[in-house]
Amino acid sequence: QKEVEQDPGPLSVPEGAIVSLNCTYSNSAFQYFMWYRQYSRKGPELLMYTYSSGNKEDGRFTAQVDKSSKYISLFIRDSQPSDSATYLCAMSVGGYNKLIFGAGTRLAVHP
Amino acid sequence: GAVVSQHPSRVICKSGTSVKIECRSLDFQATTMFWYRQFPKKSLMLMATSNEGSKATYEQGVEKDKFLINHASLTLSTLTVTSAHPEDSSFYICSARAGRTNTEAFFGQGTRLTVV
Repeated sequence: QKEVEQDPGPLSVPEGAIVSLNCTYSNSAFQYFMWYRQYSRKGPELLMYTYSSGNKEDGRFTAQVDKSSKYISLFIRDSQPSDSATYLCAMSVGGYNKLIFGAGTRLAVHP
Repeated sequence: GAVVSQHPSRVICKSGTSVKIECRSLDFQATTMFWYRQFPKKSLMLMATSNEGSKATYEQGVEKDKFLINHASLTLSTLTVTSAHPEDSSFYICSARAGRTNTEAFFGQGTRLTVV
């Protein structure tokens, strides 16, 4: 069993839709949870960072962590074509050390 | 965010040759740099962690004699793939962090290595 599971998609949605991206994990020691966005031929860019459980909101993005279910989510409201990218979840036991990444979900938002 | 520059962005080399990839932090001093490898449709896999002035710490299953990492200064780390083979073809990405564990690590744009 992989430590972090993420559906690779692709996920195609119309502009303005609410997008839900998810990851599950098996290591209960993970405390730090991140979501990265990666455009084609670019390195990952940090979108959201959450410590432990709960919700965090930043503009159109909301990150949720449910440690009891070992499940994290990223919601994108009012999705835009510019949101088209691969979204990677990542997590760790200690901050930005030894990040374990999901495979990434390819998202396409069409006008 | 801070800028991490990786060079080259794309390289093709012949089997048996060595290739060096550079990772530079342009506007901050990177006390720690990470090297990842990414296969198509697969996760980013951490290969090694290097602290400036120290030997790199390699993850299990990563050959240290194959993937030589040097972090000689606070702004530069290099990954050398020695005696490259077609199975080494992959996307290699570095990230760099200033300071302690909870300081954000910024990623370079990656290097696509193709060994022919």
